Parts: sequence; C-alpha cells; structure tokens
Amino acid sequence: GQQVMQIPQYQHVQEGEDFTTYCNSSTTLSNIQWYKQRPGGHPVFLIQLVKSGEVKKQKRLTFQFGEAKKNSSLHITATQTTDVGTYFCAGPHRDDKIIFGKGTRLHILP
Amino acid sequence: DSGVTQTPKHLITATGQRVTLRCSPRSGDLSVYWYQQSLDQGLQFLIQYYNGEERAKGNILERFSAQQFPDLHSELNLSSLELGDSALYFCASSVATGARNTQYFGPGTRLTVL
Repeated sequence: GQQVMQIPQYQHVQEGEDFTTYCNSSTTLSNIQWYKQRPGGHPVFLIQLVKSGEVKKQKRLTFQFGEAKKNSSLHITATQTTDVGTYFCAGPHRDDKIIFGKGTRLHILP
Repeated sequence: DSGVTQTPKHLITATGQRVTLRCSPRSGDLSVYWYQQSLDQGLQFLIQYYNGEERAKGNILERFSAQQFPDLHSELNLSSLELGDSALYFCASSVATGARNTQYFGPGTRLTVL
C-alpha cells in the first residue's frame, strides 16, 4: 500500500545550524501537508503544497514539493530553540484518507 | 487553541475494561478524524466521520468503534483494553472532507492501560 516515508527519524543540531527533513512517497501525491508537534503538544498545521516544484517560505522555514510530486522537504535555516518538536508530512491516500509520515524529531543543542 | 476539545485529558484504566473518548470539533467543521499516537510510532489514522457518516477507515481494531452524533461531536469507544492500547489519542476536525483540507487537532487524551 501507499506509504509516506520520512527521514531522518531523529536529528540533533546545534542552535544556529540548519535542519532538513525529507518526505518520500511511493506514489504521486496530489498535495502534501506539513505539521509540527511540540513536545507534549498536538500537531499543528504548517503548510500545504499542491503544485509540482512548488516552493513556499515561512520566515526561516522553506518547503519544497518535488517535480514528480513524490517527495517534499522542509528546511529550517539557523535553528532556534523554538523549533524543537516533531515535524510530520502528510499525503493523501484513497478514500480521502491522509497518511502521516512517522515524523522527524528535532532536538536543538544550546 | 485549535478550537477542538477532547475529554478526558488523561485516563487510567485496567486491561479488559472499556472506555469512551469524546471530541468536539471546531465550530462549523463537519469532518472528525481519530488518530492513535504511540511512542515513536507517529500518527496512526483510525477513522474519519463526515457529517455523521463514516467516511474513511484506517487500521482501527475491531475492539474499537466510533460514531459522530447529530451535533457533530464524536466518540471513540475502546473495549477489551490491552496494555498495548496505551497511547495518546488525538481527534482532529476539518471543514469538509478530502485530503486538501487542513486538519485541526485537539489536545489529545492520554490513555494508560495497567
């Protein structure tokens, strides 16, 4: 069945360093969403990408959707302690289901 | 605050028992989703309701069931509980159905089965 794979599972970075998480699908996606879950919190919607090759920015966060619409990435420039959390990508499956990746847990070292 | 409420916040029970988790969606949202999040397991989609009807089903066990009521709140019933059912259960809501809808998550119910 369709899967949405995320790598890496964990990432430790020094504060101020950049961070990237990747999301790969076994099938073409009509769209992809990204969510962030702070420790002890609930997932919060960040962004949705729909177009092939789309790039969107939110301050220090850059989201990309691959040309083939099978992969996506989230890049954070100059990480801060507020960036700590788990980042999930989510892609559509049949019957309106949304499949979430297992997430990338970001730890920031001060 | 997402506008989605879940009760209770914590639940501790014993194996073999039955519990009911409750979710109230954001005002105006017709879709409700249930997810299970175990340690390091990501978000496992359980089931979705749209305007009172079951819309999509994920890896929901037969011991689990859900429903959405006319006032659009939803309940997730977990029965014959096992130790492995201990997890965080999230409810999310969206305006409509379809993968392009933003999901708004509630704070979750932490279930501990002893």
